Amino acid sequence: GQSLEQPSEVTAVEGAIVQINCTYQTSGFYGLSWYQQHDGGAPTFLSYNALDGLEETGRFSSFLSRSDSYGYLLLQELQMKDSASYFCAVSRNTDKLIFGTGTRLQVFP
Amino acid sequence: DSGVTQTPKHLITATGQRVTLRCSPRSGDLSVYWYQQSLDQGLQFLIHYYNGEERAKGNILERFSAQQFPDLHSELNLSSLELGDSALYFCASSVNRGQETQYFGPGTRLLVL
Repeated sequence: GQSLEQPSEVTAVEGAIVQINCTYQTSGFYGLSWYQQHDGGAPTFLSYNALDGLEETGRFSSFLSRSDSYGYLLLQELQMKDSASYFCAVSRNTDKLIFGTGTRLQVFP
Repeated sequence: DSGVTQTPKHLITATGQRVTLRCSPRSGDLSVYWYQQSLDQGLQFLIHYYNGEERAKGNILERFSAQQFPDLHSELNLSSLELGDSALYFCASSVNRGQETQYFGPGTRLLVL
């Protein structure tokens, strides 16, 4: 089978850095994606890692270690608008994207 | 705006009824995916169509069915509705078979009373 684990909730203050971890167990692994979802909104794509290492996109970075079946999303210079749920998702060779249960990030002033 | 459209935005119906949710993918995208998201839950993959053909099935109930039409829009049919079917239903599209980026529509909020 397959499973993804990520923390259910993370809190931080404006301007801080926060890391959201994701560990996965799956066969036929292709890559790890991250999506952001604000309350009542649609998930929006943030990043995708197919190879080991760090991918940086502005204030957000994503990391993957295939050997450890582990990845993380790093959010820097947190802003209030970053308060949302963040989902990691594993893509496999079966045309499915399997989502984690999500991490709710609350940013406080 | 992702370019994916879904109608209707909201739907209120009664148990035992049947509804149809519609999705139009981004221009040029061949894949359509359907997801169910219940309150405070993650996204549950339901089904994937690629260029008119079913490619993968997730935890989709037998009461639910979907299809993708020649113009690539898709419909999700939910029948014999139960209270527990109340959820947000998202459709997403991708260019090919979507192992990396999927673009989500705004969702249809279904309430079964």
